[in-house]
Amino acid sequence: DTAVSQTPKYLVTQMGNDKSIKCEQNLGHDTMYWYKQDSKKFLKIMFSYNNKELIINETVPNRFSPKSPDKAHLNLHINSLELGDSAVYFCASRHSGGARNEQFFGPGTRLTVL
Amino acid sequence: AQRVTQPEKLLSVFKGAPVELKCNYSYSGSPELFWYVQYSRQRLQLLLRHISRESIKGFTADLNKGETSFHLKKPFAQEEDSAMYYCALSGGGSARQLTFGSGTQLTVLP
Repeated sequence: DTAVSQTPKYLVTQMGNDKSIKCEQNLGHDTMYWYKQDSKKFLKIMFSYNNKELIINETVPNRFSPKSPDKAHLNLHINSLELGDSAVYFCASRHSGGARNEQFFGPGTRLTVL
Repeated sequence: AQRVTQPEKLLSVFKGAPVELKCNYSYSGSPELFWYVQYSRQRLQLLLRHISRESIKGFTADLNKGETSFHLKKPFAQEEDSAMYYCALSGGGSARQLTFGSGTQLTVLP
C-alpha cells in the first residue's frame, strides 16, 4: 500500500513523560509535515521538513523536537508531556515539484495525556 | 498573515437538498485554495483544488477573489456526504504548508 503511515495510532501517557510518534511515507515525496488537531477539531501546522531539513517551525514549544532521519520519515518526540498536548497529531507529505500541490495525510495519532 | 474562516461549525441538511459550506480567506498574495474532507474514522483527504476547477463527487467550489471566498457547493446532498470539511489555503514559500479553517461538520439527514 502506498501511503503515509503513523505509529502508534493511540498513545495514552502520564504528564511529565517523554514520548515519540513515528511517520513514514512511501510515496517518494520530499516534503513532510506535522499538524496538530485540537479538541475543537482545529488543525494547525507545527513543522515542515524538506529533504530532511527543517523549513517551518510554527512557534511550537521546544519540548517538541521533530527528527527526519531520511526523506521518507519524520518523527516527533515530545518531552515533559503536558495536559494541553492532548490532541490528534497528523503527519502529511507532499512532492514539492508536483503540479497538484496535494498533501497526503496519515491516519493520525491520538495522544491523551493524563 | 494568512487566515481561513469557516463560519459554520455544524451544518445539517436533508438528503436531496442543496448544500453550501462557506469559506472566506485572508491572504495578501495569490493563494491556492483547497477543500479537504475527513469521513468518520478516516484520514483527511483532498476533495477539491481551486486551480483544477473540477467537480468531485458532485461538489464544486469557485474562487471569488473579490469576496475572498471559496464556498463549497453541491446541488443534491447524499447521506454519504456526511463528514468534516476543511477549507485550506496554501500560500507562498518553500513549505507550502496549509492553513486550515476550523472545519464544518456536515450531516445529511435521511
